[in-house]
Amino acid sequence: EDQVTQSPEALRLQEGESSSLNCSYTVSGLRGLFWYRQDPGKGPEFLFTLYSAGEEKEKERLKATLTKKESFLHITAPKPEDSATYLCAVQDVGSSNTGKLIFGQGTTLQVKP
Amino acid sequence: GAVVSQHPSWVICKSGTSVKIECRSLDFQATTMFWYRQFPKQSLMLMATSNEGSKATYEQGVEKDKFLINHASLTLSTLTVTSAHPEDSSFYICSARYGTGVGEQYFGPGTRLTVT
Repeated sequence: EDQVTQSPEALRLQEGESSSLNCSYTVSGLRGLFWYRQDPGKGPEFLFTLYSAGEEKEKERLKATLTKKESFLHITAPKPEDSATYLCAVQDVGSSNTGKLIFGQGTTLQVKP
Repeated sequence: GAVVSQHPSWVICKSGTSVKIECRSLDFQATTMFWYRQFPKQSLMLMATSNEGSKATYEQGVEKDKFLINHASLTLSTLTVTSAHPEDSSFYICSARYGTGVGEQYFGPGTRLTVT
């Protein structure tokens, strides 16, 4: 059964303190791994798609990496405005027609000034 | 690009009434749209997958007669909560799939439904 586990559940950082969020996944075949950011009371905002092990993508202070079993979202020198819940999701090859995603529970990041 | 809107953003209704929520992809055509439900401090729960011109596919445990989904065009899907009850109060979010294959899902801003 496809499964996505994110850790930690919550993370508190001081402004400028870099860290990483983890997303472990179990799928029969990975079609794509997605990272989203969600602010309270809003819909998720798309950040990255990763397709194969070894791939990396960057956007401002965020960098996403992918291995065969997990993905990391690295946050470099975070600012208070990076505070949000970060969601990881995977698409299995069996869901390529439907586009269905399996979501993790999310990591809630709080960055204090 | 890839903007998805939802309307209304919040709605309060009385128990027993029906509520319709609209989801539109504003700058792209979406053959597939998805409806999610989210409880406080929890992740997204997929309710159904909607394809333009065909019947929606509901996830296990979701009552299809209670949550009516219509994907009328390549840019519009609607969710109607029929005979709403307080336990239906939740945050409903739609998404639209961009392209086919490994198409990213772009999410709407969500609709907060409160049933009194």
